[in-house]
Amino acid sequence: AQSVTQLGSHVSVSEGALVLLRCNYSSSVPPYLFWYVQYPNQGLQLLLKYTTGATLVKGINGFEAEFKKSETSFHLTKPSAHMSDAAEYFCAVRTFRGQGGKLIFGQGTELSVKP
Amino acid sequence: DAGITQSPRHKVTETGTPVTLRCHQTENHRYMYWYRQDPGHGLRLIHYSYGVKDTDKGEVSDGYSVSRSKTEDFLLTLESATSSQTSVYFCAISPTGLITRYTFGSGTRLTVV
Repeated sequence: AQSVTQLGSHVSVSEGALVLLRCNYSSSVPPYLFWYVQYPNQGLQLLLKYTTGATLVKGINGFEAEFKKSETSFHLTKPSAHMSDAAEYFCAVRTFRGQGGKLIFGQGTELSVKP
Repeated sequence: DAGITQSPRHKVTETGTPVTLRCHQTENHRYMYWYRQDPGHGLRLIHYSYGVKDTDKGEVSDGYSVSRSKTEDFLLTLESATSSQTSVYFCAISPTGLITRYTFGSGTRLTVV
């Protein structure tokens, strides 16, 4: 079975500082991993995804994530936070139960950016 | 988001009443999903559909039923709403089950009083 754990329900950084949001996964098969962002009162938007190939994945808005199999991690980073990055972020892993592709989501991490 | 619409956007209902939420898509995607979002739990899958009249349960399906009589519409029904079903409900669509490319709707905020 697949599962995802996000470490820290709230993360606060200063504008211009490094953003690091942590995600660890459990999967009995090679995982497909995703990061989504949710702005207030909106749906989820895909930031980036890892399926196969290069372990460092670049996404939108300057975010990137590195798949580390040995650590079962897929942490999300951004070198310099911007006020517009304040949102909730979800890590997800694809599950292979049943028909088609379905996602198992982590609990979410709310990112606050201080001026 | 373009191509996927949820209705209503907000609803307040009383305990014990039936409620139906609608997800409508114009993308002709095969797969449709209903998730609920609750603080501390992220999003959890309720039901999903892999084609017209083809549906299956997710991880939190108790108390919910779904129907998909045509490609573009996926209905989620709470037969007898309970306070524990107060949540934000998201619909998602995907063209293929091989590599997930979800598009999420904007959500329906349901309050059961």
